[in-house]
Amino acid sequence: GQQVMQIPQYQHVQEGEDFTTYCNSSTTLSNIQWYKQRPGGHPVFLIQLVKSGEVKKQKRLTFQFGEAKKNSSLHITATQTTDVGTYFCAGLRGKLIFGQGTELSVKP
Amino acid sequence: DAGVIQSPRHEVTEMGQEVTLRCKPISGHNSLFWYRQTMMRGLELLIYFNNNVPIDDSGMPEDRFSAKMPNASFSTLKIQPSEPRDSAVYFCASNSQGDNSPLHFGNGTRLTVT
Repeated sequence: GQQVMQIPQYQHVQEGEDFTTYCNSSTTLSNIQWYKQRPGGHPVFLIQLVKSGEVKKQKRLTFQFGEAKKNSSLHITATQTTDVGTYFCAGLRGKLIFGQGTELSVKP
Repeated sequence: DAGVIQSPRHEVTEMGQEVTLRCKPISGHNSLFWYRQTMMRGLELLIYFNNNVPIDDSGMPEDRFSAKMPNASFSTLKIQPSEPRDSAVYFCASNSQGDNSPLHFGNGTRLTVT
């Protein structure tokens, strides 16, 4: 079936270090969305990428959509403790399929 | 904007009992989604509705699960009879314009079946 794979599953970083999570699909996606879920909370929409090769930035967060529209990445520069949470990609191919998420912990 | 409202926030029930989870989507949103989240399986789409009509229920685990959307402002997810393996956080989400717009999630219902 349709799958969206996300790696790594967990990432522990020291505050100030960078963080990257990767998302891969076996099929071409119409678009990809990224969500953040704080511990005990619900997923909150961050951004949507639609175009091949698209790059978007939100302050310290950089989102990329691959040329083939099969992969995406989220990079956080100089992590802060407020970045803690699980980051999900969700690929659209008919319906929205969520990756397993990457849980980020930040040590102050 | 009150957001997506789910009730109850927590539900503890015994195996075999019926459980009903409720959701009120954001006013004006025409699509509604039910997700289940567990450590093992992550976020799973159970079913979604467009304009109150079920479009894809392929994620519904089995006949014990049923969902309804009698009108644009209310949906229920029912489990009958409940089993311990149904323990999870159940999220309702809504959006407008189909799949191309962001999902707005409710706070979820944490279900524990003992």
